[in-house]
Amino acid sequence: GAVVSQHPSRVICKSGTSVKIECRSLDFQATTMFWYRQFPKQSLMLMATSNEGSKATYEQGVEKDKFLINHASLTLSTLTVTSAHPEDSSFYICSARDPGSRMMGEQYFGPGTRLTVT
Amino acid sequence: GQQVMQIPQYQHVQEGEDFTTYCNSSTTLSNIQWYKQRPGGHPVFLIQLVKSGEVKKQKRLTFQFGEAKKNSSLHITATQTTDVGTYFCAGHRSGNTPLVFGKGTRLSVIA
Repeated sequence: GAVVSQHPSRVICKSGTSVKIECRSLDFQATTMFWYRQFPKQSLMLMATSNEGSKATYEQGVEKDKFLINHASLTLSTLTVTSAHPEDSSFYICSARDPGSRMMGEQYFGPGTRLTVT
Repeated sequence: GQQVMQIPQYQHVQEGEDFTTYCNSSTTLSNIQWYKQRPGGHPVFLIQLVKSGEVKKQKRLTFQFGEAKKNSSLHITATQTTDVGTYFCAGHRSGNTPLVFGKGTRLSVIA
């Protein structure tokens, strides 16, 4: 199946700093990528839909100025958590749709990035 | 907005017992997907159901999509310790809308 990578896998940063997380589709071109957030023992909450070459679509309640998304190429989307605070500590997971997949709507998930803000 | 409910939240079973998790959407879905997430891992796609009343099997796992395309279930026969993890259902209202996840059912299997 298709492979999606994320970097870094873990990051610890100080309160007030910014952190960039990268999401790459390794063997397919993804015009659409998704960013999710998962708190411990909870479900995945969609934060935003990242579209290559255009602005991201943010879900209600997600601050677009705090969570900056850039989808500059067909294989890379980045999420930057700006001025991070301890409450931003979470597991951030990206996913991507493979346009060539036989199953419409199937998403491939990255391994996730665990962010800890101290 | 679209909501996807999933029950139970937790399930503890003895190895060899069966397990079922149920998923119910507030709106009709174009498809439903099931994912498994092992502790510390990321969601891994299991299957997608598209047709009303569809039933699919993967070894000991049986997936059903309701006639009204608003509910679904995952049934595991004779659970094993390798089945441990959280099972999420997720659905699209249409092909281009985001995937909405249920809260998941965390399965523990006692050997």
